Amino acid sequence: LAKTTQPISMDSYEGQEVNITCSHNNIATNDYITWYQQFPSQGPRFIIQGYKTKVTNEVASLFIPADRKSSTLSLPRVSLSDTAVYYCLVVASGAGSYQLTFGKGTKLSVIP
Amino acid sequence: NAGVTQTPKFRVLKTGQSMTLLCAQDMNHEYMYWYRQDPGMGLRLIHYSVGEGTTAKGEVPDGYNVSRLKKQNFLLGLESAAPSQTSVYFCASSPTGGPLSVSYNEQFFGPGTRLTVL
Repeated sequence: LAKTTQPISMDSYEGQEVNITCSHNNIATNDYITWYQQFPSQGPRFIIQGYKTKVTNEVASLFIPADRKSSTLSLPRVSLSDTAVYYCLVVASGAGSYQLTFGKGTKLSVIP
Repeated sequence: NAGVTQTPKFRVLKTGQSMTLLCAQDMNHEYMYWYRQDPGMGLRLIHYSVGEGTTAKGEVPDGYNVSRLKKQNFLLGLESAAPSQTSVYFCASSPTGGPLSVSYNEQFFGPGTRLTVL
């Protein structure tokens, strides 16, 4: 079971780039890395998913080094509306088992 | 297109009472999930389903039962509620995923049910 570790909280000023790193030391060969965003009193919302190297979409980028033991979510030019909790999720599948391990989340506070 | 909906939004139970939480999705997704979220614990998977008529245990299944009689609905039952089950419960669905699929897994979450057991 791949466990994840993230910083508990981060602060950033508006307009800056924010990088949140997730550690998943025992990630398995078939595991994918996914990031979700959650606002208070709402369900999580999918941001991005990747397996290796770099993935980019209209919202964020995900950097995964060759050893895949960590990943970094990059949010370009954050605004106040990006204040939320960000979760790193490792999706482990295979051999009849299915494990969705959410980290404890990183609370991002964007400061004007 | 309502996405994923959950009923009820709030509920207060006494210890020993039973209840069922209903999750419905209108996206024709094969996979559905139930999570609980506790302060400082992130989300933990309770049960999941890879298709109509199937269910499987997640990380914290004890004290809960589930059923998936129809593809669009996933029910979570508490037979005898305990204070330790006080939590926010989230349902999610995804078009792909599951234990035999190493593939894209974008889950769509409902708004949550806040349950308090006294």
